[in-house]
Amino acid sequence: GAGVSQTPSNKVTEKGKYVELRCDPISGHTALYWYRQSLGQGPEFLIYFQGTGAADDSGLPNDRFFAVRPEGSVSTLKIQRTERGDSAVYLCASSLTPRASGAEAFFGQGTRLTVV
Amino acid sequence: SQQGEEDPQALSIQEGENATMNCSYKTSINNLQWYRQNSGRGLVHLILIRSNEREKHSGRLRVTLDTSKKSSSLLITASRAADTASYFCATGSGYALNFGKGTSLLVTP
Repeated sequence: GAGVSQTPSNKVTEKGKYVELRCDPISGHTALYWYRQSLGQGPEFLIYFQGTGAADDSGLPNDRFFAVRPEGSVSTLKIQRTERGDSAVYLCASSLTPRASGAEAFFGQGTRLTVV
Repeated sequence: SQQGEEDPQALSIQEGENATMNCSYKTSINNLQWYRQNSGRGLVHLILIRSNEREKHSGRLRVTLDTSKKSSSLLITASRAADTASYFCATGSGYALNFGKGTSLLVTP
């Protein structure tokens, strides 16, 4: 597609439920990133994929969070047993090559997750 | 953890005026990027400045970088109401970008 696509744009879920957030990166982009942005804060890094593998998942806050990218394209961020503190905008970005080379990262519009 | 810190946190100006935002960071960088975010959703890449560059221009944007002071500034000249947004600096020597809390800019007609 023309840009990074994230679905759903908004998700309201009850505390304790499981949610999946989807990211469809720009075609051909090998690097994919997930960030989380809480109200009034800047985005915080969660996980980075190079191809199918998670090259760095050090930003995932705990083991309730997990992400996959099985075919090196679409990625899904999965949150188990959601808590109210998980409420945030979850942003996905992709770049043609790993960002360390200076490649520009393109962001999607994000998924606003609200846990009630 | 957040690396960059923007200053001021909020800025209100009138159309036509210039807006200056500053960013300070803590560790060595390969490059520094500025992003804009409208309505708390997707970020738009504005400009990247490498560690060996001191100044860069893109349209009405001017970015400076002082690695000795670990600081950068973003100047928006002749501001427009459409420039109203949050602006973030982002650093990172590896693949992850580290963002500050941002400067919220309001440009009034």
